[in-house]
Parts: sequence; C-alpha cells; structure tokens
Amino acid sequence: QITLKESGPTLMRPTQTLTLTCTFSGFSFNTDGVGVGWVRQPPGAALEWLALIYWNDDKRYSPVLKSRLTVTKDTSKNQVLFSMTNMDPLDTATYYCVHLLDYCSVTSCPYFDHWGQGTLVTVSS
Amino acid sequence: SYELTQPPSASASPGQTANITCSGQKLGDKFVSWYQQRPGQSPLLVIYEDKKRPSGIPERFSGSNSGNTATLTISETQALDEAVYYCQAWDRGTLFGGGTTLTVL
Repeated sequence: QITLKESGPTLMRPTQTLTLTCTFSGFSFNTDGVGVGWVRQPPGAALEWLALIYWNDDKRYSPVLKSRLTVTKDTSKNQVLFSMTNMDPLDTATYYCVHLLDYCSVTSCPYFDHWGQGTLVTVSS
Repeated sequence: SYELTQPPSASASPGQTANITCSGQKLGDKFVSWYQQRPGQSPLLVIYEDKKRPSGIPERFSGSNSGNTATLTISETQALDEAVYYCQAWDRGTLFGGGTTLTVL
C-alpha cells in the first residue's frame, strides 16, 4: 500500500524559503520509473503542478516557477525534499506530494495515482 | 504556453449522465487524466490515459479524447459524485485544467 505524507512549516513570512518533506512508504526510488511530484492548491483555486523527481535523479520543474524551486531525494530515508524561495502571500496553498511512474511514451503517460493528505502553508507578515 | 480549459460548472440530475470537457490545442495527441476532488479531500485519480479506470473506480466513469477535446462522462450520476473534476495532460511538464464543479441536482 502506497502512502505519502507531507510535513513542514504551516506559517511562513514573506521572502523566507519554504522547505517541505514528503515521507513515503509502499514504494522505493530503487525501482526504475518511480517518481514523486509536488502539486499545490491555493484556497478555493485549481491545482498547480510544481516539480517532480525520478528514481534516476532526473528533475522537472514548472516553467513558471522554475527559478524558485528545488527538489531532491533521500533514497535511504524514502523522502523527497521540496524548497521554494522568496515566499509570497500568493504562495499560500495546500501543498501535496504525489506518486507517479515513468515518463511519457508513445503508448502511455504518467499520472498521479497516489496523493498525500496535503499540508496548508500560509504566508503572512 | 499550453493551456487546458474546463467549464467552471456542470450539473446533472441523479441518474442522468454528466459530461465534463477539457479543451486544449491538439489535446487528442496527448494522454489525459482526470481527478475528482471532494471538499476537504485530496484529489483522486478516476481516469488515466484518456479512458482507463484505476481499480476501485466505478464503471460509471469513462473518458474519451479526440481532436481538441477530452471528455469525462459520469453515467447514472449520484449525489456522491458532486465534486470538482480536474483534467491533466503533459506538455513540457504537466499541467491541470482549471477544474469543473459538478452539481448533482
């Protein structure tokens, strides 16, 4: 059974750097194709993809936010770390980590088949 | 930049069929997934690769994708289907549509 859980600060001040941890179980980065991504959702708004990291350390970032994002993994701890610099009140959102498998090919594309419960991060002075 | 467009709202009476669309340039050339999000819950995958259902998702949920439009169809709509539905596709990373709130009247 795959589970993911986000942890980190719930309140941030503007300009600070957010660091969230996704701790997962039921799968491993030792398995080819495994990926973990981050998605956020401002209150009352739509989902927005942020970043993902694959088993082979390949990383992908949202083109819009790329300059502010960093994602790393700790295979031995089954964790993924996500950082976003220069936080702003507009970054107030629930942040989810998600599980996915593999890259797009001619015959398939990955999907987010398991989601964490999400963690609400509020940015306020 | 690529965009996925969804109508903000849709409605259906109990027992009827609900159709939720997602539009994007040549979307039929991409694989589309759909997620259901009930209030206060994390999104749940209901359709992947245009038309496949994950285990545990009722057969009432189906999907199609052709041309510039992907469609999520929910037949025999029930009150518990009330939720926001998001489409997702890949284009230099992945992106989501703006979400459609389904009301079962």
